[in-house]
Order: sequence, then C-alpha cells, then structure tokens
Amino acid sequence: EAGVAQSPRYKIIEKRQSVAFWCNPISGHATLYWYQQILGQGPKLLIQFQNNGVVDDSQLPKDRFSAERLKGVDSTLKIQPAKLEDSAVYLCASRLSGGAGVDIQYFGAGTRLSVL
Amino acid sequence: AQRVTQPEKLLSVFKGAPVELKCNYSYSGSPELFWYVQYSRQRLQLLLRHISRESIKGFTADLNKGETSFHLKKPFAQEEDSAMYYCALRGTYKYIFGTGTRLKVLA
Repeated sequence: EAGVAQSPRYKIIEKRQSVAFWCNPISGHATLYWYQQILGQGPKLLIQFQNNGVVDDSQLPKDRFSAERLKGVDSTLKIQPAKLEDSAVYLCASRLSGGAGVDIQYFGAGTRLSVL
Repeated sequence: AQRVTQPEKLLSVFKGAPVELKCNYSYSGSPELFWYVQYSRQRLQLLLRHISRESIKGFTADLNKGETSFHLKKPFAQEEDSAMYYCALRGTYKYIFGTGTRLKVLA
C-alpha cells in the first residue's frame, strides 16, 4: 500500500511571499489532516477534512492560511502571505474513517518550510 | 483545557536499563491515548494505543485515569529504541500531541 505523499519536501521563501503544499492521502482514506510542527514542539492540528468537508479548522490562522480538498482525495494547504513564524514542518496525515475506531492515522514525510 | 504534557525533552539511558517516558493529559471526557515514534529520517508512526493493551517492540503503556497519565515503559532498552517519542490524545475528532521526548540509548 502506497503511503501518504507530500510535495515539495523543502521550500525556502521570503516573508510576505506565498507558498502551497500538496498532499495525496492513502487511497480510500476519508479523513485527511494537516499539522504544523514547529522546531521543538509536537504536531499541532491545523485542519481536518472528512471527505471534502471541513471537520475542524479551529487552529488554522484563517487570515493567511487556507486549505482545500475539492474532490475528497488530495489536498492543498496555502500560506499567503508568509511570516517568519510560519517556518515549520507541515505534515499531512490520513485515516480510513473519521470518528472513533480501530483504524489509525498515517503520516507523510512532511514539507519543511523556511521563511527568511 | 485539553493538553498533553511530556515533562522531559531528553532522556538518556544505558542499553539494558529500564525506560519510562512520562505523559500526563488533561481532558474532560474519555480520550483515546496514543504513543507515536519518529526514528531518524523516518516518518512519524504509531507505536501503540491504550485501547489495544498490547506490547509493541517491548513497550507497554497503561492508562491511569486517576493520575491522568499514560507513561510508556520498556524493561530493557535497546540502541534501536533511540528516537523521538510523542504522546497524543484524541477526543471526539481532534488529535492533540505533546512536545515529545527524545530517547537516547547509550551503548
């Protein structure tokens, strides 16, 4: 089974520029998560999709971050404009179902963003 | 407030010594508790979950609701256990992660 795919692996931009990350979850997984992991911290959930609907985006800074999962499969996360504090690893994860259950979430390799 | 606390950033033990990675949580309902591990240059992956009550790679973790703890234990550490370990809880939908503990097993 292919894993969660993310691209690019690394991105360096200047502050106030825009950037987009892409995630392709495991085939058939209904739930998709985007996390932000700042150096020295644990992953922080930014947004959770169930198919193409948003389940939770309470920690997404909506003035600059946006995410979509139009066809319920792959997803993009965008930052516009970027700030220095956005430097982090952005992780995508997917899970077969959405609620309580025995299935688990699988993580991608992440995109490391450096904002200069 | 929902929170996961891992008090140790770094834990160094010698090979063959017992290991205990601490995790405390704050949650008003009945969460699911997990331990995730990230080995060098690998993806974050699930190590074990409390509802499974299983031992993975010699690690076990018991949920103590009275102390709101979910400590990870292994009786005899091995060098290949060196990694970053994250405790996490899941409420209704959301996963909340701790800040992680780096375990170094010394030869």
